[in-house]
Amino acid sequence: DAMVIQNPRYQVTQFGKPVTLSCSQTLNHNVMYWYQQKSSQAPKLLFHYYDKDFNNEADTPDNFQSRRPNTSFCFLDIRSPGLGDAAMYLCATSSRGASNQPQHFGDGTRLSIL
Amino acid sequence: ELKVEQNPLFLSMQEGKNYTIYCNYSTTSDRLYWYRQDPGKSLESLFVLLSNGAVKQEGRLMASLDTKARLSTLHITAAVHDLSATYFCAVPMRFGAGTRLTVKP
Repeated sequence: DAMVIQNPRYQVTQFGKPVTLSCSQTLNHNVMYWYQQKSSQAPKLLFHYYDKDFNNEADTPDNFQSRRPNTSFCFLDIRSPGLGDAAMYLCATSSRGASNQPQHFGDGTRLSIL
Repeated sequence: ELKVEQNPLFLSMQEGKNYTIYCNYSTTSDRLYWYRQDPGKSLESLFVLLSNGAVKQEGRLMASLDTKARLSTLHITAAVHDLSATYFCAVPMRFGAGTRLTVKP
């Protein structure tokens, strides 16, 4: 089945130690998103790519970076994780030309900071 | 700034009862989504609503959209325990705060 796959499912890192989360998709969607979801809160968009065009949300901290080397893969880099960055990180995809389709979400990566 | 507001944020229902969750959004949008999230899990798409007056139903859930009022509703009919979850409405890239639904026997 076509899907959105996030790795790892659980990630533990130390305060200030860089970490990379990955997302891959077999849907061939041209838009990929990264959301941060803290406990009991709504998902918050960090950034998204339309093809290779990067779109950063105005309030996304500089500590968060992203790369999309090709259509299938997208990475979230957290350069110096702080305790406040502990959250579930959700990757999603959509096809910009298909307005009748929802975003397809991966299972998420739960990030813990020690 | 685009805002998406849901109410109620918490909802405790008895099995067999009906209730409606409301979702207001602040600027024009050509689509609205409803998602379900179980604890510790990712989001599952429930409905995509594209036009004024759109109504979609799946089992005990029915969603509607009024684009003039910028209002969507998610109606729950004869609730059962399996519907306990958090429900989010969203316009593209903006989510409401979510409604945490608990259905009690």
